[in-house]
Amino acid sequence: DAGVIQSPRHEVTEMGQEVTLRCKPISGHDYLFWYRQTMMRGLELLIYFNNNVPIDDSGMPEDRFSAKMPNASFSTLKIQPSEPRDSAVYFCASSLATGTSPTAAFGPGTRLTVL
Amino acid sequence: KNQVEQSPQSLIILEGKNCTLQCNYTVSPFSNLRWYKQDTGRGPVSLTIMTFSENTKSNGRYTATLDADTKQSSLHITASQLSDSASYICVVTSTSGTYKYIFGTGTRLKVLA
Repeated sequence: DAGVIQSPRHEVTEMGQEVTLRCKPISGHDYLFWYRQTMMRGLELLIYFNNNVPIDDSGMPEDRFSAKMPNASFSTLKIQPSEPRDSAVYFCASSLATGTSPTAAFGPGTRLTVL
Repeated sequence: KNQVEQSPQSLIILEGKNCTLQCNYTVSPFSNLRWYKQDTGRGPVSLTIMTFSENTKSNGRYTATLDADTKQSSLHITASQLSDSASYICVVTSTSGTYKYIFGTGTRLKVLA
């Protein structure tokens, strides 16, 4: 089991550019989560999907952020246009079920730096 | 307002010593509480998860407690090791139609030799 796979691991871009982060969840997991982590705000849930359908996107900071899950094995988080304050580590996680399931697994994260 | 507060913010202990991390929450309705360990540069890893009816749960040298009446949880680490150096994050799940995840800001633990 390769675990949750994220790419790229590091991304440095200039303000105003479009950034696309990618995630491959663990096979068979039906929930997928996107998180953002900064020193100031800690870990924040941005959006999560169940069976490829977005369930709660109330954590998405603004319209510049969008997430898609075209199939059960792939999801993207896009920032357009990017801003320096978007600099953070973005984690993708997947699980079999929310609530009491202990099987939530996190990917290694993508460290985004917007100059 | 749903909130999760952790204390202390950071902690330094000597190898072999025990320590206890605290998590207080004001989340309603409550579904469960999880403790995660996050090593530097890595994603969080789940240590324990407890529902309303569970008072304590262990995972090796980690023991979590939950007092649903006072809305407090603790994570006790026994006989600490250098590898315990990490951030420990408390997350409370709320259910009200959809699941809501409320994160604490974490406790940074440093274990010294």
